Amino acid sequence: QVQLQESGPGLVKPSETLSLTCTVSGTSITSGDSYWTWIRQPPGKGLEWIGFIYQSGSKYYNPSLKGRGSISVDTSKNQFSLSLTSVTAADTAVYYCARAYRDRHPYSDYWGQGILVTVSS
Amino acid sequence: QSALTQPPSTSGTSGQRVTISCSGSSSNIGNNRVNWYQQFPGTAPKLVIYSDDQRPSGVPDRFSGSKSDTSASLAISGLQSEDEADYYCETWDDNLNGPVFGTGTEVTVL
Repeated sequence: QVQLQESGPGLVKPSETLSLTCTVSGTSITSGDSYWTWIRQPPGKGLEWIGFIYQSGSKYYNPSLKGRGSISVDTSKNQFSLSLTSVTAADTAVYYCARAYRDRHPYSDYWGQGILVTVSS
Repeated sequence: QSALTQPPSTSGTSGQRVTISCSGSSSNIGNNRVNWYQQFPGTAPKLVIYSDDQRPSGVPDRFSGSKSDTSASLAISGLQSEDEADYYCETWDDNLNGPVFGTGTEVTVL
């Protein structure tokens, strides 16, 4: 059974960097059939794709982040991470990590429980 | 890139059939398959339909999906109280080179 678990600080100050880690169990993060994905949801609002990384190390990000996002993988720990720089109150959200099945038409079949990150001084 | 368009809310009585629409464009729904997620308050989304009309194992067959041109729909037949949740459509966007979500629909069981 594939499981994902987010971890990181729940409070980040404006202009600082948000850093989150997703620990994957039940499958290898080097699996070629997976996009390792970050998605966020501001309080009371909808879902927004942040970006993903996959086997070859290729990464794709939502242009709405304007270059502030970075995703990396630690294969030794079976983890992937998100860094988001220069955060503002607009980055306050529940952040989810997910596994998207890497198909011609991908879908996210496994999700972490989510972690609320608040940007505030 | 804009989110896919869904009605903010819909409702029905127990046993009724409700449908949720999802409208997009040729760069997303028109050229890719659609997925649907169910989300209860305070929990992560759960996949209920993938590739337009496929149900993951364990999802009741009262959930069904369809797609035509640049629009998709999720239908819940025999509505039950446990179906009261938010529902989001999602598909790949060729311009974004990533997934785009719908605006979300709250389903209420009267």
